[in-house]
Amino acid sequence: DGGITQSPKYLFRKEGQNVTLSCEQNLNHDAMYWYRQDPGQGLRLIYYSQIVNDFQKGDIAEGYSVSREKKESFPLTVTSAQKNPTAFYLCASSPGTGKNTGELFFGEGSRLTVL
Amino acid sequence: AQTVTQSQPEMSVQEAETVTLSCTYDTSENNYYLFWYKQPPSRQMILVIRQEAYKQQNATENRFSVNFQKAAKSFSLKISDSQLGDTAMYFCAFYGNKLVFGAGTILRVKS
Repeated sequence: DGGITQSPKYLFRKEGQNVTLSCEQNLNHDAMYWYRQDPGQGLRLIYYSQIVNDFQKGDIAEGYSVSREKKESFPLTVTSAQKNPTAFYLCASSPGTGKNTGELFFGEGSRLTVL
Repeated sequence: AQTVTQSQPEMSVQEAETVTLSCTYDTSENNYYLFWYKQPPSRQMILVIRQEAYKQQNATENRFSVNFQKAAKSFSLKISDSQLGDTAMYFCAFYGNKLVFGAGTILRVKS
């Protein structure tokens, strides 16, 4: 079935460690996104990519990094520079520029907890 | 800046009854899309309904319908015949040149 797969579902990290969250899609979508979800704040955009080998900062990119080496994959690294990384992270995709109506297709999310 | 406001942090409804979730937005654009997304306890976001701003007719998807008031910048979601499976967080979202989400409304359907 077509969809978006995020892994791991749950992740624990010690302070000072970098961690990478995986996001893979087989929808043949051009655009991919990473959102952070905190209670009472809705979804906030971290990074997005509209095409392979290109990505843009969202509203809260500090302390995060991404890569887009393949169309299907858009991993997110939470670095030690992120001051408050404990959150729920959602990956999403959309068809892309020119075909985009704003509708996103979401993965099941990854819960990161810093110990 | 575009903003989306959901003024009801939490709501409850009895099974089989009707409930309306509120959403207002602020934009200077004329062409845009509006969405309601559902996030059940499993946490995967699912699109519930979509409305194109240029369409005057309110969108409907089975038990879900919207009341789109463009001049008032209001986009409420009505759920009819509420079911236990409707229990979820509901997010209103606006898409002009970027997608902006509201803070969400937790809906609990009680048996």
